[in-house]
Amino acid sequence: GIQVEQSPPDLILQEGANSTLRCNFSDSVNNLQWFHQNPWGQLINLFYIPSGTKQNGRLSATTVATERYSLLYISSSQTTDSGVYFCAVEWYGGSQGNLIFGKGTKLSVKP
Amino acid sequence: DTAVSQTPKYLVTQMGNDKSIKCEQNLGHDTMYWYKQDSKKFLKIMFSYNNKELIINETVPNRFSPKSPDKAHLNLHINSLELGDSAVYFCASSQRDRGQFFGPGTRLTVL
Repeated sequence: GIQVEQSPPDLILQEGANSTLRCNFSDSVNNLQWFHQNPWGQLINLFYIPSGTKQNGRLSATTVATERYSLLYISSSQTTDSGVYFCAVEWYGGSQGNLIFGKGTKLSVKP
Repeated sequence: DTAVSQTPKYLVTQMGNDKSIKCEQNLGHDTMYWYKQDSKKFLKIMFSYNNKELIINETVPNRFSPKSPDKAHLNLHINSLELGDSAVYFCASSQRDRGQFFGPGTRLTVL
């Protein structure tokens, strides 16, 4: 099967700092999504980004499918950005719609 | 105007009992899913339903069964609950090429 690896596993930032989260995957994918799980456990859909670059406010994401990685950029971080960020892929060789999740990056933003 | 909703939010029960978790989506999506998040925050797909047809069934015990009364609902029935079933269960829905959207989760505790 496909492997999805996220780095770093943990990240501590001071409010206002910028950060880059990385997601590597070992095989071709049909789709890729980034999620934020907030401290209350809610999974929030950040980006649906099988390829290319998208931006939404202070967050942006880039997926380079041919090189099998995706990056999530967080600029001017706020304490509300804290939580776990998951990358999930729909493997080309798997069942349609089956999202395979990475283990996540736990982000803590300090005031 | 909640997109994907689940009930109950918390469920505490004894070993051996049978329980159900309900899921509804008002997005008009074609496919619905159930995921399990374990104590280490790892998310893994359990089932997906498309037009009342089961199209994914990962290595899930047959004590777990999805029931879809209509396109907007996918309920999860669990028989003979075991301690290891304690986890957070998420329902999700998707439309092709638009990504998956998750419900708020149901925290199941088996005593």
